[in-house]
Amino acid sequence: GQNIDQPTEMTATEGAIVQINCTYQTSGFNGLFWYQQHAGEAPTFLSYNVLDGLEEKGRFSSFLSRSKGYSYLLLKELQMKDSASYLCAVASNDYKLSFGAGTTVTVRA
Amino acid sequence: SQTIHQWPATLVQPVGSPLSLECTVEGTSNPNLYWYRQAAGRGLQLLFYSVGIGQISSEVPQNLSASRPQDRQFILSSKKLLLSDSGFYLCAWARLAYNEQFFGPGTRLTVL
Repeated sequence: GQNIDQPTEMTATEGAIVQINCTYQTSGFNGLFWYQQHAGEAPTFLSYNVLDGLEEKGRFSSFLSRSKGYSYLLLKELQMKDSASYLCAVASNDYKLSFGAGTTVTVRA
Repeated sequence: SQTIHQWPATLVQPVGSPLSLECTVEGTSNPNLYWYRQAAGRGLQLLFYSVGIGQISSEVPQNLSASRPQDRQFILSSKKLLLSDSGFYLCAWARLAYNEQFFGPGTRLTVL
């Protein structure tokens, strides 16, 4: 099975940087996803890491260390619209995703 | 392009009543299909997934069931709803042999 941990809440100021950590224990690993979910809406894809290292996509970056069972999502130049829940999800070898409980990020002016 | 539809968007049902939620995908063939439930403030719990017509795998024992009568149609059902069935139900699809999942808009179910 999968055990995925991420912080429950984080608060940051507009224009700042926030890093959301995710640790996982897995019986089969086939990549790690980050999704963004605004309140009352469906999750939308942000990033995918399958190899160790940093993936950068605009203001968002994601890092993976498979040996440590660790990932983080880095949000730069925070905007008010970035206030949302961020979900860490681990893919297993049978094409299923196991989700963490999500981290609610609140951006303040 | 591919799109995924779910209906209804919101639903209020009494305890003990039946349930039928529908999900359809357009613009792709042979997708893997998934049903998730998200309780308030919680992560997504995988309920069912399907790799083909009539092929359903259940992840969590419960009073819900799923069916896939057509390649791009996935239905979530219950004969008698419980209070604990309240939540946000999300359908998702993925290309065969790919991990990235695309989510539908969801159904907010309240059981009273």
